[in-house]
Amino acid sequence: DAKTTQPTSMDCAEGRAANLPCNHSTISGNEYVYWYRQIHSQGPQYIIHGLKNNETNEMASLIITEDRKSSTLILPHATLRDTAVYYCIVRSPGGSQGNLIFGKGTKLSVKP
Amino acid sequence: NAGVTQTPKFRVLKTGQSMTLLCAQDMNHEYMYWYRQDPGMGLRLIHYSVGEGTTAKGEVPDGYNVSRLKKQNFLLGLESAAPSQTSVYFCASSPSFWGRRLSGANVLTFGAGSRLTVL
Repeated sequence: DAKTTQPTSMDCAEGRAANLPCNHSTISGNEYVYWYRQIHSQGPQYIIHGLKNNETNEMASLIITEDRKSSTLILPHATLRDTAVYYCIVRSPGGSQGNLIFGKGTKLSVKP
Repeated sequence: NAGVTQTPKFRVLKTGQSMTLLCAQDMNHEYMYWYRQDPGMGLRLIHYSVGEGTTAKGEVPDGYNVSRLKKQNFLLGLESAAPSQTSVYFCASSPSFWGRRLSGANVLTFGAGSRLTVL
């Protein structure tokens, strides 16, 4: 699976858009980009995933560059409850799931 | 729907004691997983299962055993607990695919976690 690189931490003002970047320069053609987040002491929560087209759901938007070497998770109007560690994971679909590797992620702090 | 339920939420053990963590999911998911998370580290996969009656080792399987006798349940056992097994344990499940999207197998639903302390 392709490795990902994320900033260790980011701050965002409440009500503003939070843009979390992820680099995955070694991504292969059949690998998807997945985003999860983990609010303190809770289990990780799935947010969104995509292959090459931009995706949007009720939680966030995912923008994937045309060369697929990087992506950005956008929380359009961040709230204090969005303070969490955000994980970007690249993985091929289907098959038996050995290691869905959660790295150290980006610690997002939303400030009033 | 309850999603993924883990029991117990908290447990304190003495070294050498045994215990079982229970994970139950009501989403008819094929795949189930046990992870552990230690301070400053990411999630590490202990064991996983791709279907009823099947299990496989993950990244850190030593000292743990698992069983999946029913599709909805995945049990994690510690036969002789050690202080190094003090951790927060998360269970998760996922479908083998998601509607028409094969990518759904990587869409995991996690439980709330079980905090285990071994003295």
